[in-house]
Amino acid sequence: AQSVTQLGSHVSVSEGALVLLRCNYSSSVPPYLFWYVQYPNQGLQLLLKYTTGATLVKGINGFEAEFKKSETSFHLTKPSAHMSDAAEYFCAVPPGYALNFGKGTSLLVTP
Amino acid sequence: DVKVTQSSRYLVKRTGEKVFLECVQDMDHENMFWYRQDPGLGLRLIYFSYDVKMKEKGDIPEGYSVSREKKERFSLILESASTNQTSMYLCASSLLDRNTEAFFGQGTRLTVV
Repeated sequence: AQSVTQLGSHVSVSEGALVLLRCNYSSSVPPYLFWYVQYPNQGLQLLLKYTTGATLVKGINGFEAEFKKSETSFHLTKPSAHMSDAAEYFCAVPPGYALNFGKGTSLLVTP
Repeated sequence: DVKVTQSSRYLVKRTGEKVFLECVQDMDHENMFWYRQDPGLGLRLIYFSYDVKMKEKGDIPEGYSVSREKKERFSLILESASTNQTSMYLCASSLLDRNTEAFFGQGTRLTVV
């Protein structure tokens, strides 16, 4: 079954620094891929998704992700972190109707 | 504005109680899901439904049941609550297509004492 692995349960960056959150998927067939964000005490919100076509996907709040088939990766990046980016981030893949989520990466942004 | 609404944000129940968690969506979505979220474990699928009266087990269905009598409503039932069911429960809905996003409710934080 398709699944995703997120490397690093906690990532800390300084405000203004590059954000890089890693996600690798396991599949022999290019899947659909999603990144979600969860702010404290809230549900999940879609950041961006890859379906077909362009491998560089732009999402909300300045985030983007690049689908790399050769590396089976879909890493999330943002050029300059903001304090409001502090949240938990989940990568996900849909093997069927439901999404399989990674275990999440908690992003801490320090002043 | 699309919405998935969970009936309670916080619940405290006693061991052995029957607990109902309710979820309503207003987007006419075919799919509805119940996930459980625990620190370090991410989101794990309990049950999902792709149509009225249809249900499929997810990864951790033990101790839970579900009901979908109307398209917009999906209920999660803990038949006899136990302390190891203390968790955050998230409801979501989506269209039938795999490449469409799921919309999530705000979550219900359930504590079983």
